Amino acid sequence: EVQLVESGGGLVQPGGSLRLSCAASGFTFSSYAMSWVRQAPGKGLEWVSTITGGDGRTYYADSVKGRFTISRDNSKNTLYLQMNSLRAEDTAVYYCANVRISAFDIWGQGTMVTVSS
Amino acid sequence: EIVLTQSPGTLSLSPGDRATLSCRATQSVSSTYLAWYQQKPGQAPRLLIYGASSRASGIPDRFSGSGSGTDFTLTISRLEPEDFAVYYCQQYGASVWTFGQGTKLEIK
Repeated sequence: EVQLVESGGGLVQPGGSLRLSCAASGFTFSSYAMSWVRQAPGKGLEWVSTITGGDGRTYYADSVKGRFTISRDNSKNTLYLQMNSLRAEDTAVYYCANVRISAFDIWGQGTMVTVSS
Repeated sequence: EIVLTQSPGTLSLSPGDRATLSCRATQSVSSTYLAWYQQKPGQAPRLLIYGASSRASGIPDRFSGSGSGTDFTLTISRLEPEDFAVYYCQQYGASVWTFGQGTKLEIK
């Protein structure tokens, strides 16, 4: 069964850091680009970041550039998102998804990140 | 950056009706890189259509996508009770992915 499971969300103070993880199973992880997409409470979907499968090229939304870092460990079938200098507007459910023909094919269940003092 | 605008914001229809959802881009989008998603409350989004008109695995054939350039459409031929949800279009271009703001399909 193809599955993505996110973890690492929680409550963090403004200016703090958090690292999200996404464990993949049921497909050849290293062959796919992977992404993070977030959804603020009651709002729409926002693309955050993407990393390619082989060479690990990274791409970021302007809203997180310079603060967030996406990475992957193909030996562990795991995707990461290191989030620094967190702001209230980063509060959202964070989903990981694999990328196929530039569409987000398989999604995890999401992990909630709350930035508040 | 390409902005996607979906219309209408809310669509009120009855089971058995035909639904037509629109997605308009501020610049031309390659059809290869236009997708549609369905999201139900408390759930992750689900890919319905990729490449503007190709159905994802397991998606019923009552869902169809069409369009090119700046205008794209998601059509649901005969609404089933489980189709009432929020729908998003999404595009990729120049190393940036963007979503439309969503169309809520509600039961009339």
